[in-house]
Amino acid sequence: DTAVSQTPKYLVTQMGNDKSIKCEQNLGHDTMYWYKQDSKKFLKIMFSYNNKELIINETVPNRFSPKSPDKAHLNLHINSLELGDSAVYFCASSTNRESGEKLFFGSGTQLSVL
Amino acid sequence: GEDVEQSLFLSVREGDSSVINCTYTDSSSTYLYWYKQEPGAGLQLLTYIFSNMDMKQDQRLTVLLNKKDKHLSLRIADTQTGDSAIYFCATSAGYSTLTFGKGTMLLVSP
Repeated sequence: DTAVSQTPKYLVTQMGNDKSIKCEQNLGHDTMYWYKQDSKKFLKIMFSYNNKELIINETVPNRFSPKSPDKAHLNLHINSLELGDSAVYFCASSTNRESGEKLFFGSGTQLSVL
Repeated sequence: GEDVEQSLFLSVREGDSSVINCTYTDSSSTYLYWYKQEPGAGLQLLTYIFSNMDMKQDQRLTVLLNKKDKHLSLRIADTQTGDSAIYFCATSAGYSTLTFGKGTMLLVSP
């Protein structure tokens, strides 16, 4: 049973297209995240949702819109894709308890914008 | 904001010990983590240490924390080729979001 699953694993698309990445967690966690990992492996948080509510929205172009239909799902929609959006996008979840924020990551979606 | 620094690359021979170092700036960091990323996979939590501890050992892994110098290290004993991966240091202060370092690529040669 996969704890945090995201689809698709690979996404190749043309500039200007709109695409979505889906994420689901079966861990019962309250908090979910989207991270972007660039070609140098640097990880940057994009968004965080707690119980379907947006709690972190870093400096991300408004072409990126997260949607959380319930606390087990956090999808990422990207409009008007640009070359610079090419990266690996990771979904993650955590319990967000006072005992620290142990993240559980999905296996990533490699987005290539041509 | 918080800054977490790591060296980018470490190469060791199989059977040797590996030591990956990390420095951070936020003295209010409560939890400090080590994550491992294998090729084509997401990050996986390896171990973590609470800020009131100096050391934590878990099988082949030893985490050392020098809170005064804001220095964290991960020692892997008897390093195996399967340990080849990118290792990320991360910190958090209670409810705050994790801050990740840029990762150290560990290459283990036979």
